[in-house]
Parts: sequence; structure tokens; C-alpha cells
Amino acid sequence: RKEVEQDPGPFNVPEGATVAFNCTYSNSASQSFFWYRQDCRKEPKLLMSVYSSGNEDGRFTAQLNRASQYISLLIRDSKLSDSATYLCVVTPQAGTALIFGKGTTLSVSS
Amino acid sequence: DAGITQSPRHKVTETGTPVTLRCHQTENHRYMYWYRQDPGHGLRLIHYSYGVKDTDKGEVSDGYSVSRSKTEDFLLTLESATSSQTSVYFCAIYSTGDTIYFGEGSWLTVV
Repeated sequence: RKEVEQDPGPFNVPEGATVAFNCTYSNSASQSFFWYRQDCRKEPKLLMSVYSSGNEDGRFTAQLNRASQYISLLIRDSKLSDSATYLCVVTPQAGTALIFGKGTTLSVSS
Repeated sequence: DAGITQSPRHKVTETGTPVTLRCHQTENHRYMYWYRQDPGHGLRLIHYSYGVKDTDKGEVSDGYSVSRSKTEDFLLTLESATSSQTSVYFCAIYSTGDTIYFGEGSWLTVV
């Protein structure tokens, strides 16, 4: 089983749609969890951290389920500018290199 | 802006030649990383450093070496470039909040 797995997509949705991405991780001792966003030919950029209690940032909501080793990202009211690749990221332990999923591609159309 | 600069940003080189990519940071971060990103593989760790002269191998370290003689610079060297090393290379630093920030990337083509 790969360390971090994501559905590669692509997810093609109209503007205004709600879309959810899922991610599973294999190391139950993993400590930190993140979603990164990557635009074409650009570097990945931190979108948000993911906490067990769940967290929200505007239209974006992230959830962590440690028991199921599962992370999710919900995007509400999708915008054209949300089109990008979303990377699920896990840290095995503090200070060590992050482990990246291969990413899920989102395309929002008008 | 995490103060990370990569150079060169784009390079075309011939098979068998050595290539060095430089990552420079201005904020005195201890941990630095080199990743490569390829279609179908995502981001894969090549080497990382946890301090001056302290480095370790990542998932795909064969054919690569690194050096960190001062805090601000982390160099990645391809000893003898091969076509399989054509890729985009990202340097990253570990910052507060257990997050990492990336440089803008170095696009390398080996012909």
C-alpha cells in the first residue's frame, strides 16, 4: 500500500459546485497533515493544515479521521480560479520530510 | 515569501555531464529538502539536510549527491546526468507549524 493515496481525477465541475477530495495514508503514527495546491508549472503552496477537530477556511473545509487514516478536503461554491492540482501531504514525524500524494486535478468550468 | 531562491531556473544539458542546482534561503532554516516531480510519480524526496554538513538520503537518491557547507545553501549535484533525470526539481525548507515551503523550481532537460 502506498504511503499516501489520492484519486488522481480529473474532477471536472461547473462553477458553484461543491467538490470533495479524499486521501488515505498508511502510517498510523503520522503526526501532521496538510493540503497543498499546485498550479501548472508552479511550485506547491500550502492551502491548509488539517486537524482532528476539522478546520475551515472560507470555502474550504478539511477533515482528518485518524481511526480510518483518512483526510478530506471540501470545496464549496467552486470558482474558476480553484482549478489546480490538490496534494494531500503527511508528515511521519516532526522535522522529517513530508510525504506527498500524487495529487488530484480539479478543473472548474463556466 | 519564504525567501527561497533556486538557480538555475531552466537548464538543458547533455548526457554524461555534471550538473549542480543551487537552493538559497535567507531565513536561517535548519531543514532543507530536494524533491523531484514527474508525471505519474508526484513529488519524491531526493535528499534532505538537517544542518550544516548533515544530510541524508531520500526515496530516489541514486545518481544524486548534495552538500550543505553553510546554512543558507543546499546544493544538489547530478554526477553524470542521464535522460531519466530530466525533471523539475524543487527545493524546500521546513518552517514553523510543521509546514514546508517550496522554491519556484528548476526545470532540467538532459539530452
